[in-house]
Order: sequence, then C-alpha cells, then structure tokens
Amino acid sequence: DTAVSQTPKYLVTQMGNDKSIKCEQNLGHDTMYWYKQDSKKFLKIMFSYNNKELIINETVPNRFSPKSPDKAHLNLHINSLELGDSAVYFCASANTRFGTGELFFGEGSRLTVL
Amino acid sequence: GIQVEQSPPDLILQEGANSTLRCNFSDSVNNLQWFHQNPWGQLINLFYIPSGTKQNGRLSATTVATERYSLLYISSSQTTDSGVYFCAVVQAGTALIFGKGTTLSVSS
Repeated sequence: DTAVSQTPKYLVTQMGNDKSIKCEQNLGHDTMYWYKQDSKKFLKIMFSYNNKELIINETVPNRFSPKSPDKAHLNLHINSLELGDSAVYFCASANTRFGTGELFFGEGSRLTVL
Repeated sequence: GIQVEQSPPDLILQEGANSTLRCNFSDSVNNLQWFHQNPWGQLINLFYIPSGTKQNGRLSATTVATERYSLLYISSSQTTDSGVYFCAVVQAGTALIFGKGTTLSVSS
C-alpha cells in the first residue's frame, strides 16, 4: 500500500490550460506539503497544510491554489499554465507541524507545458 | 533564511569504493533528513537524523548539530546507489529546506 500517492504521474498540456494534481496519504499524518522540483533538480517548498489549515504559503503565483478537503488529502490546482510551470511536483506528509517530524514523499507528478 | 550547502556537487565512483557526502547548514535546526533520489525520480528516505549517528546497512550518517554539519557515508558502493543525494533541514516554524544535492554515479 503506497503511503503517499499522487495522481496523475504525468501531465502534458498546452499553455493557458488549467490542471489539477491530487495527493492522498494513508499514514495518519496531520501535515501535508507540495514541493516543486525544477529542471536543475532543486526542490522548493510551495505550500503546507496542517489538518486542513494552510500554514505555509511561499511566494508562489496565485495561479496555484492548494485545497485540502480533509487531512489525508491535499490537491494542487494550477490555472493558466505557463511554460515555466513545467516541473516535477511532489506531495509529502509528516506527523508534526512545521516539518519537525520525518517527511515522506510521493512519487511525483511530472508536468510538461507546451 | 537558512542556507544548506552540499559537497561535492558531483561524485564518480567505481563499484566497491567508499564515499563521504557533506551537508553544512548556516543556523540551528530542528530536523535533518537525507534522501536519495533514484534515476526514476523517487525520493527515498535514508535517515532522519537531527543529531547523533545512525547506520542502515552500508549507509551511515552523523549529524553534529552544534557545528552545523552532517555527513553521509556510503561504503562498498553499488551501481544501484547512483542518483542524487539530498540533505534537507528544518528550522522551527518552517518547512524542510533542501540543499542542491550531490549527484553520485557508480560504475561497474
């Protein structure tokens, strides 16, 4: 059973479209994250939710909107996709706020914007 | 914000060699983790090690929090060890901040 699962694993889309990535964790954790990995492999925090509450919101364009319907799910919706949004997006979860517990990552969702 | 520096940026080894990867960080931290990103892109947890020493098979890690560094040791490297090794740290009230990684290539 996958602990942190993301869907879809691959998205290819045109500029200007809207897309969503879903994430679910079955670890019973309270805190979930979205990270972006760019073409140089650099991983950067985007958002964090603790028990459905947004607790970290880095300087991310407001075209990116996270939504957490419950503490086991954190989805990422991206409006008006741009070429620069092409990246791998990783979901993660931890059992404590603000990352003090061990973080576990999903397998990533590779987004390609044409 | 906190800076995380990893060295070396790239490492090429023959199978069977040993290596040491280093992670320096610029401020005190509450959490430190090492990850291996394999060639398929998966991020695999290696160690959760805010301080002290841990071992897992051929891998071990040591964090000296007072001196703001952590070391990852890989012994008797295998081709399956290839990939990118990331160090990541957390300060109170923030999320895990990653270094730029060390890319390891192990050839047979």
